[in-house]
Amino acid sequence: GNSVTQMEGPVTLSEEAFLTINCTYTATGYPSLFWYVQYPGEGLQLLLKATKADDKGSNKGFEATYRKETTSFHLEKGSVQVSDSAVYFCALSPMGANSKLTFGKGITLSVRP
Amino acid sequence: DAGVTQSPTHLIKTRGQQVTLRCSPKSGHDTVSWYQQALGQGPQFIFQYYEEEERQRGNFPDRFSGHQFPNYSSELNVNALLLGDSALYLCASSLPAWAPQKNTGELFFGEGSRLTVL
Repeated sequence: GNSVTQMEGPVTLSEEAFLTINCTYTATGYPSLFWYVQYPGEGLQLLLKATKADDKGSNKGFEATYRKETTSFHLEKGSVQVSDSAVYFCALSPMGANSKLTFGKGITLSVRP
Repeated sequence: DAGVTQSPTHLIKTRGQQVTLRCSPKSGHDTVSWYQQALGQGPQFIFQYYEEEERQRGNFPDRFSGHQFPNYSSELNVNALLLGDSALYLCASSLPAWAPQKNTGELFFGEGSRLTVL
């Protein structure tokens, strides 16, 4: 079946540090890949997505590239801010559109001033 | 424009009881999905409703059932509650089939209903 594996957390960084959060997946065919973020006291919201191999999703300074050869979708940001403190979830959708999402366990990011 | 709204936000039940959670989708959305998020885990797909029918289902027992109304709002019902049903229940909605953005796969989530089973 489909699965998503995220690196273990939590992660604590200083402001302006470089961020990498690893995500690998197992799926048949060509899933769509997503990063969702959950800020304190808020619902999950889409951060970025990629629907085919070699696509790069980007938003709010975050980037992730769909790597089919390594079945990965690592999240990166060059300079994190305190406001980026949140829980980050990697997810996949096997049909890419309006389909059920399989989520990783999530990782908590805390950014210190 | 209201987003996805869920009620109640918190509730406490005892084992064996039944619970109903409610969800109103984002304006213009016709598809509703429900997820269970246990503490420290990612959300797990329960089922999806479209045109008032259950379209997809995850690996959850029949104690979990749902309904979608003509106005696209939805309910999640859980019977014979177990301690392990304690979790945050998330509702998510998405665009209609005819919308050009349909294939983004983006879901819009509510803040959830936190259920505690004692």
